[in-house]
Amino acid sequence: DVKVTQSSRYLVKRTGEKVFLECVQDMDHENMFWYRQDPGLGLRLIYFSYDVKMKEKGDIPEGYSVSREKKERFSLILESASTNQTSMYLCATTIGGMRSYNEQFFGPGTRLTVL
Amino acid sequence: GQQVMQIPQYQHVQEGEDFTTYCNSSTTLSNIQWYKQRPGGHPVFLIQLVKSGEVKKQKRLTFQFGEAKKNSSLHITATQTTDVGTYFCAASPEEIQGAQKLVFGQGTRLTINP
Repeated sequence: DVKVTQSSRYLVKRTGEKVFLECVQDMDHENMFWYRQDPGLGLRLIYFSYDVKMKEKGDIPEGYSVSREKKERFSLILESASTNQTSMYLCATTIGGMRSYNEQFFGPGTRLTVL
Repeated sequence: GQQVMQIPQYQHVQEGEDFTTYCNSSTTLSNIQWYKQRPGGHPVFLIQLVKSGEVKKQKRLTFQFGEAKKNSSLHITATQTTDVGTYFCAASPEEIQGAQKLVFGQGTRLTINP
């Protein structure tokens, strides 16, 4: 079974702090994604990566950056946390390549509160 | 950018009643996936539809992909309390470098009165 883990289930930070959220997967998947989930808005893609050191902006990248130094690890960075970044953050992975079947496997999520 | 509209946002039913959630797009979709998120949990993949007019069944769940590949539905027959959760559709508008981006609908939260 694919296992996707995230560094924290709950996190409380103060406005202006630098925040690191980590995601680790154990299935050698090429693609990794960061979403945020807010009530009524579904899941919105922040950034994704299809290879080590490669990254692409998603739909809402402002205020975030990412790092992928190793295949199994994808980090989301909030350079200066703001209250409007309070949300549930979900990491997901999927097999790479042009395949028709590519379900996304999600981590348990990190609920971040910025005070 | 690509948008996928999902309705209704909430649905409350009596146990044993049927439930349907709908997803609509203004543009043609290459495929559509459905996910279920239990309360306090994370989204879990249910199924993927690729072909125009495709219908797939998983026990009491029936998934349909429209003929024009612009809409999809999930129907649950005779709901059970284990069906409680939020159901998301997710569409693939494009493939980039092999990383297939998904655009998620807003989700339908299903609650059930036992």
